[in-house]
Amino acid sequence: AQSVTQLDSQVPVFEEAPVELRCNYSSSVSVYLFWYVQYPNQGLQLLLKYLSGSTLVESINGFEAEFNKSQTSFHLRKPSVHISDTAEYFCAVSDSGGYNKLIFGAGTRLAVHP
Amino acid sequence: DTGVSQDPRHKITKRGQNVTFRCDPISEHNRLYWYRQTLGQGPEFLTYFQNEAQLEKSRLLSDRFSAERPKGSFSTLEIQRTEQGDSAMYLCASSFAGSGGLYEQYFGPGTRLTVT
Repeated sequence: AQSVTQLDSQVPVFEEAPVELRCNYSSSVSVYLFWYVQYPNQGLQLLLKYLSGSTLVESINGFEAEFNKSQTSFHLRKPSVHISDTAEYFCAVSDSGGYNKLIFGAGTRLAVHP
Repeated sequence: DTGVSQDPRHKITKRGQNVTFRCDPISEHNRLYWYRQTLGQGPEFLTYFQNEAQLEKSRLLSDRFSAERPKGSFSTLEIQRTEQGDSAMYLCASSFAGSGGLYEQYFGPGTRLTVT
């Protein structure tokens, strides 16, 4: 069975500081990995995904994540955060390119302070 | 593209009552998913459809839960004899499954159910 562990439930950080949100997964088959973001009072939005190819994937708003098969990790990083990045971030795994169900972690609340 | 819509956005009901939620997926998407999210947790998979066929159901989906997608477009999720433990946000998502598809699931805003 697949599972996802997000190691930090909350991450406080000051504006313009770097941040890393940690995600570890377990799976016995090939995995596809996703980060979703949920802004206050909004629905889940896809931030970035790893399906195959380059292990480093980037989003349009400066986030990046690296798939590390040996460490079974898919940590999310941003070199300089903004107040507007305050949100809940969910890591998810699927075993079939996203066709089938997503297994989500419990989420990490990123709070960016001025 | 109007996105995934869900109705109602909020529902308050008394224990023992039945409730029904509706989800309208993105029009060209052939897959539709239901998830449940409780406070402080990530979404948990409940069930999904490809067109009108229900392909998988989670063990979380007790006999009191039923989902349909009669014409392969909108879907309904019904909970019979609601219990306080059913209080949660119910999320719907849709995706396109096919060669060359984008694969990702697009989520609706959710229906928040409160059982009193």
